[in-house]
Amino acid sequence: DAKTTQPPSMDCAEGRAANLPCNHSTISGNEYVYWYRQIHSQGPQYIIHGLKNNETNEMASLIITEDRKSSTLILPHATLRDTAVYYCIVRGGYSGNTPLVFGKGTRLSVIA
Amino acid sequence: EPEVTQTPSHQVTQMGQEVILRCVPISNHLYFYWYRQILGQKVEFLVSFYNNEISEKSEIFDDQFSVERPDGSNFTLKIRSTKLEDSAMYFCANLDWKINEQFFGPGTRLTVL
Repeated sequence: DAKTTQPPSMDCAEGRAANLPCNHSTISGNEYVYWYRQIHSQGPQYIIHGLKNNETNEMASLIITEDRKSSTLILPHATLRDTAVYYCIVRGGYSGNTPLVFGKGTRLSVIA
Repeated sequence: EPEVTQTPSHQVTQMGQEVILRCVPISNHLYFYWYRQILGQKVEFLVSFYNNEISEKSEIFDDQFSVERPDGSNFTLKIRSTKLEDSAMYFCANLDWKINEQFFGPGTRLTVL
């Protein structure tokens, strides 16, 4: 089963930052935190991942707490197209070949 | 940006029939995966495939499922005798080693009647 806990749903106003929390209190030292999202019934889409340092790319920022027991995905300026289910996944090692274990995720609704 | 493609987008079949779902992966991405998502439920891992053999499989991937890469490019998932509970979206995925990211296809919606 998934090793993460996420709120089932969140709302965000268009143009505002969306902050999606994730708890992973049992994360071990070599496990990474990955974020994917799924828009409607499309295939999941990779967003970002990190180990212990904060990460930023063109899509989002990932803030990981110092004890690594929780993290926050930040979409800096949410748009209607960011409405999706967001999955926080903890994954062992840097071996990207291991399967992804999806939980129920957070359903983010961006409201105009 | 290169994409994973899947055909057909929607497959309707009768219970007990065989179906083959096809995936055209991104070239040079050598690790392949199949996942499925029953309507309203989580995305579930089925199988991973590397170097022309199964690398890992889940409990879902029983004897009625098989995978192969018949012509070096396409990647297929076969369900030998479909059941009603096989109705789901089936997603193919590839791994990009350089950025450690799995790319997913748009999915095939399988409906078993």
